[in-house]
Amino acid sequence: TQLLEQSPQFLSIQEGENLTVYCNSSSVFSSLQWYRQEPGEGPVLLVTVVTGGEVKKLKRLTFQFGDARKDSSLHITAAQPGDTGLYLCAGPSDSNYQLIWGAGTKLIIKP
Amino acid sequence: GAGVSQSPSNKVTEKGKDVELRCDPISGHTALYWYRQSLGQGLEFLIYFQGNSAPDKSGLPSDRFSAERTGGSVSTLTIQRTQQEDSAVYLCASSEQPGTGYGELFFGEGSRLTVL
Repeated sequence: TQLLEQSPQFLSIQEGENLTVYCNSSSVFSSLQWYRQEPGEGPVLLVTVVTGGEVKKLKRLTFQFGDARKDSSLHITAAQPGDTGLYLCAGPSDSNYQLIWGAGTKLIIKP
Repeated sequence: GAGVSQSPSNKVTEKGKDVELRCDPISGHTALYWYRQSLGQGLEFLIYFQGNSAPDKSGLPSDRFSAERTGGSVSTLTIQRTQQEDSAVYLCASSEQPGTGYGELFFGEGSRLTVL
């Protein structure tokens, strides 16, 4: 069974600090996606990583896909209150069209 | 509208009543998903529609839940005889590329259901 485990479950830090959140699995994924969900809204895609070892940058956000394609990380530099939200990782199921979702990391950035 | 539209945005109902939740996906998107999300938690898959194929209902938690998609566009999720444990946010998403892991899922803002 493919599972995605995200850590930490909850993180609260001050504005300006750096942070890293993780998405781990014992299974290999062909790709992984990161979504951010703000309160009262649906998740929005941030990035898709498809190659082992790949690093993608989106302004202050850096996404990495593990060499073995079993894990991914999201690093935020100089966090801002606008980064607050639930960060979800997702990857395609081997067996069907479904996406496997992690439980998410709830991030709060305090001004 | 350009995005996925869901209605109602909020629904409060009494235990035992039936509710209908509506999703209007992005025009041209053939794939449509329904998910359930409890407060601050991840997404629980409910049902998937792809074009004219038979829907995958494997995520529906009980026979009180059903969904249909008319004309390959608008979808309705129906919950009969609602229970308090049905209280959650119901999210709809559509996609051009079903389940490949490369295509983007576009989500609506969700319908928050509260069963008293």
